[in-house]
Amino acid sequence: DAEITQSPRHKITETGRQVTLACHQTWNHNNMFWYRQDLGHGLRLIHYSYGVHDTNKGEVSDGYSVSRSNTEDLPLTLESAASSQTSVYFCASSPSGTSVDEQFFGPGTRLTVL
Amino acid sequence: AQSVTQPDIHITVSEGASLELRCNYSYGATPYLFWYVQSPGQGLQLLLKYFSGDTLVQGIKGFEAEFKRSQSSFNLRKPSVHWSDAAEYFCAMRSGGYQKVTFGIGTKLQVIP
Repeated sequence: DAEITQSPRHKITETGRQVTLACHQTWNHNNMFWYRQDLGHGLRLIHYSYGVHDTNKGEVSDGYSVSRSNTEDLPLTLESAASSQTSVYFCASSPSGTSVDEQFFGPGTRLTVL
Repeated sequence: AQSVTQPDIHITVSEGASLELRCNYSYGATPYLFWYVQSPGQGLQLLLKYFSGDTLVQGIKGFEAEFKRSQSSFNLRKPSVHWSDAAEYFCAMRSGGYQKVTFGIGTKLQVIP
C-alpha cells in the first residue's frame, strides 16, 4: 500500500546542531509539505514543493531548508537547531492538478532541542 | 488575509450526546474546506471536504459538515458521539488554485462516559 513515512519519529538534539528530518512518500505525489505543530498554533507551513527541484517558503521558514531531488522525498533541515524549534513536525503530500484532493499526512516527528 | 478560526479550544461531551465543532473562515471567494482528525500520537486523517455543490457534506465515521456562505462557517457535526471520537479536530481551508492549506488551531474533544 502507498504511504508516507517520516524518520526519525523522535529526536533529541542540542542547540546549534544541524538536524535533518526525512519524509518519504510512495504515492508519486508531486506536492509535498512540511508543517510544525505547536500548542495554540495548530499546524503552520514551513516549506512546500510542487515537484522535483521546486521549493517554496511557507509562513515559518526561517531556520529551515528543504531540497527536492526526486518525487518521493522532501527532507527538512534545521541548519542550526534552536530551542524554539522544539515541536512536532508533520510531512504531507497531495497529487497535483485541479481536483480538490486532500493532503495525506505522515505520523510526525517529535523534535526536542536542548 | 486568509484565516481559519476555531473558537473552541476544548470541548467536553458525554458519550451518546450530539456534537458540533465550529469553524469560521476568512477568504474573498468560496474556499475549499476540510475537516481533519488527529488521534494522540498520530498524523492527521481527513474526515470530509467541501468545494462546491451540496452544502451538507457527509464524511467518514458518521461525521457531517455544513457550509454556510452567509456565515463564513463550516461546522462539523455528529449526532451521537462515541468514546473513540476523543481526538483533536482541525478545520482547514485551501484558497484558490494553490495547494497550500491554512489550518485552524484545533479543537480538542473529550468524551466522558
